[in-house]
Amino acid sequence: LAKTTQPISMDSYEGQEVNITCSHNNIATNDYITWYQQFPSQGPRFIIQGYKTKVTNEVASLFIPADRKSSTLSLPRVSLSDTAVYYCLVGNGSSNTGKLIFGQGTTLQVKP
Amino acid sequence: ETGVTQSPTHLIKTRGQQVTLRCSSQSGHNTVSWYQQALGQGPQFIFQYYREEENGRGNFPPRFSGLQFPNYSSELNVNALELDDSALYLCASSVVRGVGANVLTFGAGSRLTVL
Repeated sequence: LAKTTQPISMDSYEGQEVNITCSHNNIATNDYITWYQQFPSQGPRFIIQGYKTKVTNEVASLFIPADRKSSTLSLPRVSLSDTAVYYCLVGNGSSNTGKLIFGQGTTLQVKP
Repeated sequence: ETGVTQSPTHLIKTRGQQVTLRCSSQSGHNTVSWYQQALGQGPQFIFQYYREEENGRGNFPPRFSGLQFPNYSSELNVNALELDDSALYLCASSVVRGVGANVLTFGAGSRLTVL
């Protein structure tokens, strides 16, 4: 399973766009990139998943370059409630579902 | 659809005791994974169950064991508790393949404190 590297922490202000980049140099051909959000004393919550190019949902956008060795989670106009830990994971969609390796994640602090 | 539910939410044990944590999967999910999350760390994969059998295990000793039942609910058992077992234990369910595979739905966790 591919290892990921992401910044330990980031600060932002309400209303700003936040971009969190994750490196995954050893990503395999059939790996997907998935981002989770976790609030204190809660389980991680799925945000977005992608394979290549750009994916957008009601919460975030995910940008994946052609070589797929990195990805960027973009959170538009963050609010205080977006303060959380964000995890980037890579893994394929079949037999090892659930065997995902979480790193330490990126702690995002949104300030007023 | 119902989400993943875990019980108990909090519990306190002493060293050497045994603990059983329970998890009900999200409706339609057939795979259950368990994770241990120490304070300030990311979740660490313990094991996964599919079709009532262990389908992969992380770097955890045999005193961590589990079960999956026909209704896809699951238990995590930890024997001979150690102080370092104090953590948030997370259960996650998913489908094994197809649309939605590789997307885990987590419960809120069971906070275990070992004294």
